[in-house]
Formats: sequence, C-alpha cells, structure tokens
Amino acid sequence: ETGVTQSPTHLIKTRGQQVTLRCSSQSGHNTVSWYQQALGQGPQFIFQYYREEENGRGNFPPRFSGLQFPNYSSELNVNALELDDSALYLCASSLGAGGNEKLFFGSGTQLSVL
Amino acid sequence: QKEVEQNSGPLSVPEGAIASLNCTYSDRGSQSFFWYRQYSGKSPELIMSIYSNGDKEDGRFTAQLNKASQYVSLLIRDSQPSDSATYLCAVSTRGGSYIPTFGRGTSLIVHP
Repeated sequence: ETGVTQSPTHLIKTRGQQVTLRCSSQSGHNTVSWYQQALGQGPQFIFQYYREEENGRGNFPPRFSGLQFPNYSSELNVNALELDDSALYLCASSLGAGGNEKLFFGSGTQLSVL
Repeated sequence: QKEVEQNSGPLSVPEGAIASLNCTYSDRGSQSFFWYRQYSGKSPELIMSIYSNGDKEDGRFTAQLNKASQYVSLLIRDSQPSDSATYLCAVSTRGGSYIPTFGRGTSLIVHP
C-alpha cells in the first residue's frame, strides 16, 4: 500500500453532469499528479499540482480542472461529462515535482458515464 | 509518433524463463525512466527506476537503458505466474515538462 487514498472508488454519472474526485497524498509528499487510464491503455497525464500551484497540464480540455489544498490533498473536477470520460482516474503523489521523482499511485476512481 | 511506445503483447513465457519487455521513446532529452507493474483491476506500482546508461539490477529484475538508441528494457529472471501483469514504461520527457509519460503497457503472461 502506498498511503495515497482516493475517493470514491466507483462512480456512475450521466452525460452532462459534473464530478469531483478526491485524493490524499502520502505523508511527506507535496506533489500530486492526476492521470486518466482508459481500458487497455496506459495512464494519460491530466495535470500536476506542486505546493498548491498547477505545475503542468496534459492535453485535456478546460472542463478538467483541479486544485491542491494546503495539506497537499487534491481534487479533480470534470464538468459537462462526456461518454469518453469513462475511465479509471489515478492520483499519484511524489516527494517533489522534478523529473526524477517516483510516483506512488492510489487505488483509483472508476468513473462510468452513461 | 508517440513519445513512449511499447508492444501491447501479450508476451507469453513459461515459468522459470526470462521475460524481456521493451520500450522506446522519441525525446532524446528524456532524463528518467521507470517501470511500473499493474495487475488487472489495480493501480500501477513502481518496480524499477533507472537514470543513466547501462544495467540496474534489483532481485529478479534488471532494467537496461540505452540513451543513444532511445530504448529501455526490463528483464525478469525466473519468471513466476505471479509476475503476470501489465508492465508500464514511463519516461520523463522534455516535451512533457519532465512529468512521467506512460506507454500503453505490455501484458505479460507467465504460464506454469
């Protein structure tokens, strides 16, 4: 177990709705990265937060937004849900934002959009 | 061209054999290289990291990095059925602001 916790574990939403996913980082980690993993694919980078600031963003539309709190926990918000948003959403924490940092993943949130 | 490429497999090997998993990347400025293992229905877990050319061994696992040829590989010696999983290669690429970019993963099946 990595010490990274995500909630909820499963979620079912309908198209057009909004969703908020939550992540608590491992103790001592100040960086949280969010990834989307579709079935049979590798994780795709959404964005990263380092000390409450967005540190990088992948090729995802603005309806994907997030924030990081002073205790380094994080939220991922998705507005106007689309069917293609159905995926496993992974949160990973790390000691820092540098390229050498190892990622420690939570167990993920499985989102289904109907 | 995708930044990190892996053969999706499946790669099937008998128990006790050596499994060889390969990954190529397109960004010559890439700095850090990782192998993650993901069991079905679970999240990825880090098994190896490598930062400089050559081999790095950890138990039954050996990571190999060749920056000139832009490939990184993972060897699993004495493969066990419990090694059956998807192996994800991740590379910190300059184009990705050095945040790890993942390949699609290679499915490994170790049969008794």
